[in-house]
Amino acid sequence: DGGITQSPKYLFRKEGQNVTLSCEQNLNHDAMYWYRQDPGQGLRLIYYSQIVNDFQKGDIAEGYSVSREKKESFPLTVTSAQKNPTAFYLCATNAVPGGSGYTFGSGTRLTVV
Amino acid sequence: AQSVTQLDSQVPVFEEAPVELRCNYSSSVSVYLFWYVQYPNQGLQLLLKYLSGSTLVESINGFEAEFNKSQTSFHLRKPSVHISDTAEYFCAVSGNIQGAQKLVFGQGTRLTINP
Repeated sequence: DGGITQSPKYLFRKEGQNVTLSCEQNLNHDAMYWYRQDPGQGLRLIYYSQIVNDFQKGDIAEGYSVSREKKESFPLTVTSAQKNPTAFYLCATNAVPGGSGYTFGSGTRLTVV
Repeated sequence: AQSVTQLDSQVPVFEEAPVELRCNYSSSVSVYLFWYVQYPNQGLQLLLKYLSGSTLVESINGFEAEFNKSQTSFHLRKPSVHISDTAEYFCAVSGNIQGAQKLVFGQGTRLTINP
């Protein structure tokens, strides 16, 4: 079955450490997105990529970095510069940029202690 | 710029009662409109979407939403809710911003069904 795999489901890290969240898809979708979810704030866009080897900042990119070396993969690194990294992170794809067929992964809950 | 406002952060209702979750949006371009549902510690599942055509869209589990262009609204309704409808619901709009298609979300509405 095609889908999006986010791993791990739960992640704990010490303050000041970088951490990378994985997002892999076998849907053959061109566009991939990272969202951050906090209670009462909905989902906010961190980074997005419309094609391999290209990505753009979203609304809250500070303290995060991404890469898109393969169509299937769009890892997100939460760096030590991110002031409040504890949140639920969701990866999404779209068949083509501008399409209506967004698909979401099951998320990674990151807790910084 | 696009924005989405969900007017209620929490909606408690009794089982088998009707419910309406309100969503208003602002956009200077044509948009697609979505409702997603999220169960605890899970990703988002598409409930229904409006792309064009008939302004009333329906989901397979009894929810429906009506696109009202003049009021820039896309409220979600269900005539009779079930305990299993307890979840968080997100309204979203998708449109072209600065050359890129982005999906913008409201703050979410937590629907609680009481027996």
